[in-house]
Amino acid sequence: DAGVIQSPRHEVTEMGQEVTLRCKPISGHNSLFWYRQTMMRGLELLIYFNNNVPIDDSGMPEDRFSAKMPNASFSTLKIQPSEPRDSAVYFCASSVGWADTQYFGPGTRLTVL
Amino acid sequence: SQQGEEDPQALSIQEGENATMNCSYKTSINNLQWYRQNSGRGLVHLILIRSNEREKHSGRLRVTLDTSKKSSSLLITASRAADTASYFCATDMKSSGDKLTFGTGTRLAVRP
Repeated sequence: DAGVIQSPRHEVTEMGQEVTLRCKPISGHNSLFWYRQTMMRGLELLIYFNNNVPIDDSGMPEDRFSAKMPNASFSTLKIQPSEPRDSAVYFCASSVGWADTQYFGPGTRLTVL
Repeated sequence: SQQGEEDPQALSIQEGENATMNCSYKTSINNLQWYRQNSGRGLVHLILIRSNEREKHSGRLRVTLDTSKKSSSLLITASRAADTASYFCATDMKSSGDKLTFGTGTRLAVRP
């Protein structure tokens, strides 16, 4: 298995632009997680899905952030409009069940100018 | 505040020495996991210890769990420069839907 795949690996955009991050979980995993990591705030859970259904989105910072999981093999995290404070590394992770070992993707490093 | 709080926040040791990191948590758990993150990479699972276990080994790693004190420790023996990374504990609390909650991490630097 290729592991969790994220794209793009790096994204540089200007304030106000829409940003879409993509994730392909490991096949057979039922849970998918989106995290954000910064030096100041550490690793933050934004949202997680179980069987494609959002279970807990309490970590999503504000309405500018949205996440979807249209099927078991694909999820997106969208920021619209983006702001400089959104600059961070965004990780996607998947697991068999939501309390099981999580497998992380390589992350997307987002820079909003 | 974080469910898992690692201590110390940063640790610098000489190659060959042992490194010990601690994790404290607040509520009852089903299991506790340790992860490692190399700079610029995603987290990688190291070891899982269940709430009814007290100690677990994997290679040069030794994890202990004291549920009465709500704490765990990760010991890396005979450290190598390649062990330089951040180490996170993660707990699945019996409340809050059992999802994993990650701590703040310990940054370990092993000097060659």
